[in-house]
Amino acid sequence: DVKVTQSSRYLVKRTGEKVFLECVQDMDHENMFWYRQDPGLGLRLIYFSYDVKMKEKGDIPEGYSVSREKKERFSLILESASTNQTSMYLCASSLQGVTYEQYFGPGTRLTVT
Amino acid sequence: AQKVTQAQTEISVVEKEDVTLDCVYETRDTTYYLFWYKQPPSGELVFLIRRNSFDEQNEISGRYSWNFQKSTSSFNFTITASQVVDSAVYFCALSADSNYQLIWGAGTKLIIKP
Repeated sequence: DVKVTQSSRYLVKRTGEKVFLECVQDMDHENMFWYRQDPGLGLRLIYFSYDVKMKEKGDIPEGYSVSREKKERFSLILESASTNQTSMYLCASSLQGVTYEQYFGPGTRLTVT
Repeated sequence: AQKVTQAQTEISVVEKEDVTLDCVYETRDTTYYLFWYKQPPSGELVFLIRRNSFDEQNEISGRYSWNFQKSTSSFNFTITASQVVDSAVYFCALSADSNYQLIWGAGTKLIIKP
């Protein structure tokens, strides 16, 4: 079974802090994704990566950056957390290409105070 | 433009009733893929099914069935004899060769009452 893990289920940070959200997958998937999910707004893609050290902006990249130094790990970075980044963050992975299903981690509920 | 519409925001039924979740999609691509995901209260999205545009056969998996109709651009999901454990938010999604990402519907919240 594909397993995608995220470093924290719940996280509380203060405004202005630098925040790292880690995601690890164990199925040798090429693609990895970061989404945020907010009530009424559905799932929105922040960034995705189709290979090590490669990244592409999604729909809402502002205020975020990512890092993919190893194939299995994809990190989301909030350079200076703000209250409007309070959200559920979901990581996913898939085989290469658009044809394959994405497998999701359990999510990290981030609260910025 | 590509789009996925799940018009039903919330559905509430009593256990053992059958329920159908609607999904209507828009795309100009001839090759595309449709997906259904389940998000239970725990929050983790679970992949249910993938269907490509060249395969219009209906799919059945236990109490779950999917009806894909290109003529109406729909990919509906039916749960037969619903159970409380089916309570979740269900998402329909679309991907196509011309787009690098999944296009998600807004989701339908399904409540199964005992």
